[in-house]
Amino acid sequence: AQSVAQPEDQVNVAEGNPLTVKCTYSVSGNPYLFWYVQYPNRGLQFLLKYITGDNLVKGSYGFEAEFNKSQTSFHLKKPSALVSDSALYFCAVRPPSFSGGYNKLIFGAGTRLAVHP
Amino acid sequence: GAGVSQSPSNKVTEKGKDVELRCDPISGHTALYWYRQSLGQGLEFLIYFQGNSAPDKSGLPSDRFSAERTGGSVSTLTIQRTQQEDSAVYLCASSPMRGEQYFGPGTRLTVT
Repeated sequence: AQSVAQPEDQVNVAEGNPLTVKCTYSVSGNPYLFWYVQYPNRGLQFLLKYITGDNLVKGSYGFEAEFNKSQTSFHLKKPSALVSDSALYFCAVRPPSFSGGYNKLIFGAGTRLAVHP
Repeated sequence: GAGVSQSPSNKVTEKGKDVELRCDPISGHTALYWYRQSLGQGLEFLIYFQGNSAPDKSGLPSDRFSAERTGGSVSTLTIQRTQQEDSAVYLCASSPMRGEQYFGPGTRLTVT
């Protein structure tokens, strides 16, 4: 079955420290990979995506993500966290067309990031 | 430009009543998606539209749920005979063909 796992319900980090939010996936073939962020009472905002090419993808607000095919992971990273980064982060995959589900995103359960001053 | 809009932002209804949720996608986006976000859970895919047709309805949880899209634009998600387990935030997204999805702010549905 196609799935996305975010093993941490919450990640706590001090402002100025690097952060990592973990994501692994189980999808046949080469999926498209996404990170979205959700601020309180707001919809999801697109952060970044990986389709092909360089394994390190840079996105909005200084975030980046590293695609690792052998580990089927797509961890979100930022070198220096800000208090304003505190939000709910979702990893998502769009399976390749041959495996079905080309037209939808499969989301992880989300990880709440708390950045402390 | 305008993003995806949804109405109402909040809806409280009694068990057994029907509700309609509306989504206005970004102009020119051919694809439209509905997702459901239940408390403490991730997003669950409901249905996908390409133009006015829905080639993937696999996520609709029961026959009480239906959706339509007219003019390749506005979409309505209808839940008949609402149940308490229908309480959730319903998110709509739109995208250009094969582009990334842009989400609306959602409709918070509470069934009492």
